[in-house]
Amino acid sequence: KQEVTQIPAALSVPEGENLVLNCSFTDSAIYNLQWFRQDPGKGLTSLLLIQSSQREQTSGRLNASLDKSSGRSTLYIAASQPGDSATYLCAVVTGGFKTIFGAGTRLFVKA
Amino acid sequence: KAGVTQTPRYLIKTRGQQVTLSCSPISGHRSVSWYQQTPGQGLQFLFEYFSETQRNKGNFPGRFSGRQFSNSRSEMNVSTLELGDSALYLCASSLPLTGPNTEAFFGQGTRLTVV
Repeated sequence: KQEVTQIPAALSVPEGENLVLNCSFTDSAIYNLQWFRQDPGKGLTSLLLIQSSQREQTSGRLNASLDKSSGRSTLYIAASQPGDSATYLCAVVTGGFKTIFGAGTRLFVKA
Repeated sequence: KAGVTQTPRYLIKTRGQQVTLSCSPISGHRSVSWYQQTPGQGLQFLFEYFSETQRNKGNFPGRFSGRQFSNSRSEMNVSTLELGDSALYLCASSLPLTGPNTEAFFGQGTRLTVV
């Protein structure tokens, strides 16, 4: 059974700091991994999608990596800003089109 | 390009009632998935529809059901509501033909409160 874990559960950093969010999964047989952002009470905003054959994806200040063999992905946020404060979720798509989410990392960037 | 639209945004229902939630996917998307999000359980997969067929189902009781119409719009129904059904219900749509290797886009959700 696929399980997705995100560490840390919460993180508070000063503005301008670079940070890394971690996502691990127990079954390496995934089709893809996607990172999302969720603001309180809102839906999810897609940040980056990494196909199973890819190692990383970049969008602006965000960089996501994927290491299937070790069951790990990281989301790197450069030069963090207060507007980055949100919950970040990772999700893997397994066989049979099931999407499994991690519990998320709550990020607070202090001005 | 319009995003995923969920209606209504907020609902208050009484225990024992039933409720229907609606999701209109992005134009051209034929896969629609539903999720339940609660503080205690996080995001849990309910079911996925593709071309009007339920392709996958999560571990929820039969009170939770759904359907998809020919225009890809989807509805989710919960019967005999329980207090524990209070949650944010999210739907996501994605492109059709490439299976799971596609990006999922989420709606803003429907906040259901059962009293």
